[in-house]
Amino acid sequence: AQSVTQLGSHVSVSEGALVLLRCNYSSSVPPYLFWYVQYPNQGLQLLLKYTSAATLVKGINGFEAEFKKSETSFHLTKPSAHMSDAAEYFCAVSDSGGGKLIFGQGTELSVKP
Amino acid sequence: DTAVSQTPKYLVTQMGNDKSIKCEQNLGHDTMYWYKQDSKKFLKIMFSYNNKELIINETVPNRFSPKSPDKAHLNLHINSLELGDSAVYFCASSQAHTGPYEQYFGPGTRLTVT
Repeated sequence: AQSVTQLGSHVSVSEGALVLLRCNYSSSVPPYLFWYVQYPNQGLQLLLKYTSAATLVKGINGFEAEFKKSETSFHLTKPSAHMSDAAEYFCAVSDSGGGKLIFGQGTELSVKP
Repeated sequence: DTAVSQTPKYLVTQMGNDKSIKCEQNLGHDTMYWYKQDSKKFLKIMFSYNNKELIINETVPNRFSPKSPDKAHLNLHINSLELGDSAVYFCASSQAHTGPYEQYFGPGTRLTVT
């Protein structure tokens, strides 16, 4: 069965610092992987996705993620954090059967001025 | 011209009542989903429909009954509401249920059962 683990339920960085949110997945087939962001009291917005093309994926708002098959990881990074990046971030894998998304537990990102 | 819309945004009701949440997508997608986000923000699939046909029913109590009148709409009816049903319910849609397609989420419906 597929699963996703996000390391760290809460990450705090200073404005301008590197953002690194960790995601590890388990899948018996080549996965489709996604990062979503959720701002308070809003729905989920897609940041980026991996679909077996380039292993380094660039997304919106300066975020990118690298797919590493050997490490079963898909960590999300941003070189310089902005106050507006404060939100909940979810890593997800798409189930190979019916297409449902299996989410990690989420990581709350705080950005200090 | 919201892509995925849900109504209502907030729903407060008493135990034992029956309520419905409506979802509409204007993206022309074939597949729609219902997810539940609990108080710890954990997201879990409930149902999925592809072209009005149920394809995923993730061991949800049968008090929950989805209905898809057409592929642009997926409604969720909940009978005999319980305290544990309090959560945020998200509707989503995707181009298809297989393949590398992202899902687009609605704004959510916060259900509070008292």
